[in-house]
Amino acid sequence: EAGVAQSPRYKIIEKRQSVAFWCNPISGHATLYWYQQILGQGPKLLIQFQNNGVVDDSQLPKDRFSAERLKGVDSTLKIQPAKLEDSAVYLCASSSGTAGTYEQYFGPGTRLTVT
Amino acid sequence: DAKTTQPNSMESNEEEPVHLPCNHSTISGTDYIHWYRQLPSQGPEYVIHGLTSNVNNRMASLAIAEDRKSSTLILHRATLRDAAVYYCILRAYGANSKLTFGKGITLSVRP
Repeated sequence: EAGVAQSPRYKIIEKRQSVAFWCNPISGHATLYWYQQILGQGPKLLIQFQNNGVVDDSQLPKDRFSAERLKGVDSTLKIQPAKLEDSAVYLCASSSGTAGTYEQYFGPGTRLTVT
Repeated sequence: DAKTTQPNSMESNEEEPVHLPCNHSTISGTDYIHWYRQLPSQGPEYVIHGLTSNVNNRMASLAIAEDRKSSTLILHRATLRDAAVYYCILRAYGANSKLTFGKGITLSVRP
């Protein structure tokens, strides 16, 4: 079974530029998550999708971050414009269910450096 | 979300058992105890979860205290590949419950 795919793996941009990350979840997983992990901290949930609808985006900085999952499969996360504090690893995860008994499967992440 | 408390770090020797503790004194009756681990430069990986009874799988065992206020992740025979950050997380039973990660415990394995 193929895992969660993410690209690119690494990205370096200057502040005020824009960047986009792509995620392809495990086949058949209706739930998709984006997390931000700052160095030395645990991942923090940014947004949760159920199929192509947003379930929770309460921690997404909506003035600069946006995410979509148009066909209910793959997803993109965009930052525009980027700030220095956005330097982090962006992790995508998917799951076959949303209740507390379901495990989440994580991709390898995209390491973003903003200079 | 109910919080967990873990030591910052722990060291172990290769091929010996490892017991990783976690305190969760404010756990509610419907919170599951989840463990994930994160190897260097990788995304987190599910390890195990449980509610009340001890659980075993191919990766580890989870021992849950009778009052559920603490739990222990047991790696029966540590390998160098087990060196990682281990996160103990309480996750509510219901739909759309979140995984809220803390800082975790960093496990080092000595050859």
